[in-house]
Amino acid sequence: GAVVSQHPSRVICKSGTSVKIECRSLDFQATTMFWYRQFPKQSLMLMATSNEGSKATYEQGVEKDKFLINHASLTLSTLTVTSAHPEDSSFYICSARDRDRYNSPLHFGNGTRLTVT
Amino acid sequence: ELKVEQNPLFLSMQEGKNYTIYCNYSTTSDRLYWYRQDPGKSLESLFVLLSNGAVKQEGRLMASLDTKARLSTLHITAAVHDLSATYFCAGRPLFHYNQGGKLIFGQGTELSVKP
Repeated sequence: GAVVSQHPSRVICKSGTSVKIECRSLDFQATTMFWYRQFPKQSLMLMATSNEGSKATYEQGVEKDKFLINHASLTLSTLTVTSAHPEDSSFYICSARDRDRYNSPLHFGNGTRLTVT
Repeated sequence: ELKVEQNPLFLSMQEGKNYTIYCNYSTTSDRLYWYRQDPGKSLESLFVLLSNGAVKQEGRLMASLDTKARLSTLHITAAVHDLSATYFCAGRPLFHYNQGGKLIFGQGTELSVKP
């Protein structure tokens, strides 16, 4: 089945530093990937849509300069949390859909738990 | 803008009992998804419902979709402890082809099945 690999699974960083999270589709190509954020006991909130070869589309209220997204190939998207602060601590999950199977579900990575101290 | 609402948000069940989780959505969604999430884990796809009247079953779980009522249900039959998890429904807004089919999630239903 379709596999989405997300790395790292867990990261602890100091306030003010930047953290990069990678999301790879292992056995399919994804024109579009999605980045979600989830706080404890809450739902998934869509942050942005990552588009291969073009700019990401950010949801309202998400700072594009703080959450940098790059989608350089059909199998890789990265999210960089710049100048992280404790309030950025959260569970970040990427997802992707096989570009050749539009009716298929979104496949999710295993998530990255970010803790900013 | 598509909004998705689930109820109940918390559900404590006894093993062997049946129950239903409801998912309402606000505007037209061209399909409805159900996912399961275990604590600290990512999401596992359960069902994709593509059209009005669609019904899908897997084991003790059955999902259905009524697009006229903008309602999907996830029915649990004879619950077992292994079904304890958080269940999310998600809709895909229509006419967002240029956004690759993003999903909007409901709040989630935390299910606890007790012996």
